[in-house]
Amino acid sequence: QSALTQPRSVSGSPGQSVTISCTGTSSDVGGYNFVSWYQQYSDKAPKLIIYDVSKRPSGVPDRFSGSKSGNTASLTISGLQAEDEADYYCCSYAGSYTSMFGGGTKLTVL
Amino acid sequence: QLQLQESGSGLVRPSQTLSLTCAVSGGSISSGGFSWSWVRQPPGKGLEWIGYIYHSGGTFYNPSLKSRVAISVDGSKNQFSLNLNSVTAADTAVYYCARDVSKGGAPQYFDYWGQGTLVTVSS
Repeated sequence: QSALTQPRSVSGSPGQSVTISCTGTSSDVGGYNFVSWYQQYSDKAPKLIIYDVSKRPSGVPDRFSGSKSGNTASLTISGLQAEDEADYYCCSYAGSYTSMFGGGTKLTVL
Repeated sequence: QLQLQESGSGLVRPSQTLSLTCAVSGGSISSGGFSWSWVRQPPGKGLEWIGYIYHSGGTFYNPSLKSRVAISVDGSKNQFSLNLNSVTAADTAVYYCARDVSKGGAPQYFDYWGQGTLVTVSS
């Protein structure tokens, strides 16, 4: 079971938009609408920010949005803020009651 | 508000068994529609799903760890546990427990997480 593929790092200036991709296969990302995204600050537990591909939990700003096309899911953060600087992980159901995380993406706000 | 708290030994000798417990408060571990999970993160690296246990007791594990891992639940104490045997330095990580929403049976997303506990494997 290999990790889903994410870019190691992305960056953007305040106010800009950035998109983080998460590429899998038809057996995981492409096969189910159970993709979620997590934000993690250094030495903190991950926090759910997107579930079921594009749904936002209560309290998550609408600057965060999710989508999926084929075997690739994406997280877009618009109106980038300094507080968005963190690590971001995607996760997908991978069939047979297993889950799989992406390798993680470090977002730098310039 | 649901809360999860990991506890257990922070130092384990190589070849021994890592044992952790996650205490759940603010909700029942026996509630339907959820599974209870373990996720780990080696220092400076990404997240790795370890496995789940459903309130019914059914368990599912990461294939790469399946031969060494066991997750159990104690409904009377509202807690669940992780045992990982034959550990090596590669098992050094922060271990998180989490609740997974599993409506319809398949695990969907982790909505509540513990704060994590660092386990070091060293002689």
